[in-house]
Amino acid sequence: NFMLTQPHSVSESPGGTVTISCTGSSGRIGATSVQWYQKRPGSAPTTVIHDDDQRASGVPDRFSGSIDYSSNSASLTISGLKTEDEADYYCQSYDTYNSYVVFGGGTKLTVL
Amino acid sequence: QVQLVESGGGVAQPGRSLRLSCVASGFTFRSYGLHWVRQAPGKGLEWVALLSSDGSEEFYADSVKGRFTISRDNSKKTLYVQMNSLRPEDTAVYYCARDRDGYGNFDYWGQGTLVTVSS
Repeated sequence: NFMLTQPHSVSESPGGTVTISCTGSSGRIGATSVQWYQKRPGSAPTTVIHDDDQRASGVPDRFSGSIDYSSNSASLTISGLKTEDEADYYCQSYDTYNSYVVFGGGTKLTVL
Repeated sequence: QVQLVESGGGVAQPGRSLRLSCVASGFTFRSYGLHWVRQAPGKGLEWVALLSSDGSEEFYADSVKGRFTISRDNSKKTLYVQMNSLRPEDTAVYYCARDRDGYGNFDYWGQGTLVTVSS
């Protein structure tokens, strides 16, 4: 099955910039869109990026998404980090061969 | 505004059943595919099941295939999941989510309902 791999954790200082990677197996990044979700403890997930690079409604432009087909990976970049950005971030895509939704393992962002 | 409200969670013994519901409002329910996604304690998000907008196509994660059944009642604007033969590893918060385009592109999520499977 198609898999998405994320780093377990990243950290950066307030005001800094961080990039979270999401690498697809079997060269399938880009076959369907990639989404990014923010998940805080005790809260429901919220959509940050959809369709590879489109910010969801209400998401500040400090958040951006991109796809690098050469490295078979997607990235979420957050600039001007704020302590409120601390959360787990999940990439997600769709395995069209198996009709299967795939999540990455999640990346814990610490802003300190 | 779009709202998804789950209910039906609780404690169940291994091998027993539970049915979760997700009531929708604020959008044309019959026009969207819907999913169940779960998060076990200390774990990541795991997709559970998808049901197409007209209910004609359903897909499941391998971990629940043959035990869980997703369904919907468009007249009641409600999504369901019937969970049978529950296992301790099914313990999780279960979220329903709306699909923007039919390919797991989630745009709205419910607040979740907790299912605990324990003897």
